[in-house]
Amino acid sequence: SQQGEEDPQALSIQEGENATMNCSYKTSINNLQWYRQNSGRGLVHLILIRSNEREKHSGRLRVTLDTSKKSSSLLITASRAADTASYFCAPSQGGSEKLVFGKGTKLTVNP
Amino acid sequence: DAGITQSPRYKITETGRQVTLMCHQTWSHSYMFWYRQDLGHGLRLIYYSAAADITDKGEVPDGYVVSRSKTENFPLTLESATRSQTSVYFCASIGKDSLRSEAFFGQGTRLTVV
Repeated sequence: SQQGEEDPQALSIQEGENATMNCSYKTSINNLQWYRQNSGRGLVHLILIRSNEREKHSGRLRVTLDTSKKSSSLLITASRAADTASYFCAPSQGGSEKLVFGKGTKLTVNP
Repeated sequence: DAGITQSPRYKITETGRQVTLMCHQTWSHSYMFWYRQDLGHGLRLIYYSAAADITDKGEVPDGYVVSRSKTENFPLTLESATRSQTSVYFCASIGKDSLRSEAFFGQGTRLTVV
């Protein structure tokens, strides 16, 4: 398995704005997942995108995947203060299921 | 209750003592993981297990021991705790279906070694 690298490390926006964070990885994948971590809590799964998908939506979340660039982005539209959290990506080659995380993007949404 | 639970939630121990963190899941998930989270390091994988009696090292295994005699339990033992092992520890599990690899996390155990 491999580790994704999230960018930026920290992002601060105003409520109502959109937030975009990116994830890069090194080798081919079967799928890529995004997780959210509220302060002091365990990670919560947000969305999974498979290697044959280019875009996926879930509520205010939009995830894109560009396998040629080995990158993914997570867009949160019309952000709310409750979106304040750290966001992690987890690229997976499937099979071994060894799940490794990077340092995440810390998002702060100011009211 | 269904889910994944860690115990204890908080633990203070002294340097040199042995301490065991417990993780229990009710889904019969094949894969289980232990991570530690420290400021500036994100989540780092300590050990993981693909099934009962199958365990493997992650990124930072030194000073830790795991066992998995039953599918639902995955205890993490610090054989001789050191201050550098002060951290928040998270357990997670995944089902065997690799097409749906969603991981479920426990609430975390905050360990302080004094």
